Amino acid sequence: EAQVTQNPRYLITVTGKKLTVTCSQNMNHEYMSWYRQDPGLGLRQIYYSMNVEVTDKGDVPEGYKVSRKEKRNFPLILESPSPNQTSLYFCASRLQGSGNTIYFGEGSWLTVV
Amino acid sequence: RKEVEQDPGPFNVPEGATVAFNCTYSNSASQSFFWYRQDCRKEPKLLMSVYSSGNEDGRFTAQLNRASQYISLLIRDSKLSDSATYLCVVKGDNQGGKLIFGQGTELSVKP
Repeated sequence: EAQVTQNPRYLITVTGKKLTVTCSQNMNHEYMSWYRQDPGLGLRQIYYSMNVEVTDKGDVPEGYKVSRKEKRNFPLILESPSPNQTSLYFCASRLQGSGNTIYFGEGSWLTVV
Repeated sequence: RKEVEQDPGPFNVPEGATVAFNCTYSNSASQSFFWYRQDCRKEPKLLMSVYSSGNEDGRFTAQLNRASQYISLLIRDSKLSDSATYLCVVKGDNQGGKLIFGQGTELSVKP
């Protein structure tokens, strides 16, 4: 089954404690991206990757890092989480090229206290 | 001004009603347009693409007006199961075709 898998799905952590949200897709997609969703703001792109070893900033990259060492994986790293990073995070992937459907992971609820 | 703007609602309608959602976008170079559906903070799922000539999928009709930079979604004969948030999504021509999401319009269909 074609899917995008994120882990953890739910996490409560403390300020400053590094964490990684993993994302894996089994569709051989070139393009992967991370979004955060906050009330009244919709989904905003954090980082995206157009292929292995190619990553770039989205609209709200501050406080986040990513890597793309393999095609299937695109982890999101919070080196020093802060309460304003409390949000719902979605990983997504699609084939390169215009018009291709984007597939989302189920989301990761992250609370930083 | 937001790149993609929607009325956040909520729209509360009775079963069987017809409801219309509107969306405007600011970048005239935008290439592709979509409506996504999102249930209870789950992942967004593609409802339908929006084509220049307008397109229909069962009870759902989408229309695009490039001159006015306006997209619409019409739902006929609303069902309880249509209750969700509807996201207007625009795909740009840069950053690998970045998707830009509206904040979503909440629909609640009541018995």
